[in-house]
Amino acid sequence: DGGITQSPKYLFRKEGQNVTLSCEQNLNHDAMYWYRQDPGQGLRLIYYSQIVNDFQKGDIAEGYSVSREKKESFPLTVTSAQKNPTAFYLCASSIDGGDRAFGPQHFGDGTRLSIL
Amino acid sequence: DQQVKQNSPSLSVQEGRISILNCDYTNSMFDYFLWYKKYPAEGPTFLISISSIKDKNEDGRFTVFLNKSAKHLSLHIVPSQPGDSAVYFCAANEGSQFYFGTGTSLTVIP
Repeated sequence: DGGITQSPKYLFRKEGQNVTLSCEQNLNHDAMYWYRQDPGQGLRLIYYSQIVNDFQKGDIAEGYSVSREKKESFPLTVTSAQKNPTAFYLCASSIDGGDRAFGPQHFGDGTRLSIL
Repeated sequence: DQQVKQNSPSLSVQEGRISILNCDYTNSMFDYFLWYKKYPAEGPTFLISISSIKDKNEDGRFTVFLNKSAKHLSLHIVPSQPGDSAVYFCAANEGSQFYFGTGTSLTVIP
């Protein structure tokens, strides 16, 4: 089955630690995205990547970093610089990350990150 | 600044009746609009979309209407079923980015 896999589903982090959230897709999509969802808010874009070895900051990139070394993988690192990391993180992908993203985004089931 | 707004956080509808979910946007450059459905602890799943060159798109029980002059879109679900109970997000596309509303929680009462 084609889809997006996020792992782990739940993640706990001590203050001051970096933590990496995994996102893998086998849909052969060019574009991949990371969103953050907080209670009562919509999805806010953290980073997106239209092609391998290239990525762009979204609206709330501070305290986060990403890499796109392979088409199917787009890991997100939540660094200690992110002051309020507790949230639900969603990864998505879509066809054709050129000047326009065609088609709907496909989402993973998310990772819930909590600070101990 | 929120470019896509869903002003109703929740909506309750009787089974078999019509559900109407609304969404407003501010950016006239948006040219593609989508609705997603989300269950708790899961990612959103795509429901239906509409291009800005159309004013209506229908898929089974789901119809999306777009009013470009009012910068407004709506999702109609007829007839509503208990399995439709979920959070519904509208989204708008410009270039390579998608902008999401805050969601409307729909409850269909049996």
